[in-house]
Amino acid sequence: QKEVEQNSGPLSVPEGAIASLNCTYSDRVSQSFFWYRQYSGKSPELIMSIYSNGDKEDGRFTAQLNKASQYVSLLIRDSQPSDSATYLCAVNANGGSQGNLIFGKGTKLSVKP
Amino acid sequence: EAGVTQSPTHLIKTRGQQATLRCSPISGHTSVYWYQQALGLGLQFLLWYDEGEERNRGNFPPRFSGRQFPNYSSELNVNALELEDSALYLCASSLATDTQYFGPGTRLTVL
Repeated sequence: QKEVEQNSGPLSVPEGAIASLNCTYSDRVSQSFFWYRQYSGKSPELIMSIYSNGDKEDGRFTAQLNKASQYVSLLIRDSQPSDSATYLCAVNANGGSQGNLIFGKGTKLSVKP
Repeated sequence: EAGVTQSPTHLIKTRGQQATLRCSPISGHTSVYWYQQALGLGLQFLLWYDEGEERNRGNFPPRFSGRQFPNYSSELNVNALELEDSALYLCASSLATDTQYFGPGTRLTVL
């Protein structure tokens, strides 16, 4: 069974620090990787997508992908209390042929003022 | 540009009843996905519709069904409701099988 694993946390960082979120996946065929942010009681909001090995930066967010290690991470620089949420890692199932995304259970991030 | 919309926001039903949830995708998106997020669990894939056809379904019983209309909006039906069906039901849309954007969800409570 294809799986996506995340540390459930909670991960607590002080305001202004770098938060590092990690994710591993089991399906070697996966081609597309996503990070979503979900506030309590709300729906997931897309933060980043990454498709190639290496780093991709968007503002304070950097996604890193290593397909050989089946590992994807998200760095949040200058963390703010408003970043406190659950971060979901998702990969496309079977290289996208099945349509759906496989989600990890999420890492809860708490940014302390 | 309007995002994915879902209705109703909340739905309360009793065991054995049927629930109907609705979703309108982002304009131009042809694929619609349904996910279930039960308390303490991750998002579980339910159904994928594209161009009016069911393309894939997750590991859920047949009492979970749906359809996609010619305008690409979609409906999820849950028959013979059970207590464990209580969850947040999320609809997402995408262009082809690219990035999925989620609607606000429907919170279903089964009493």
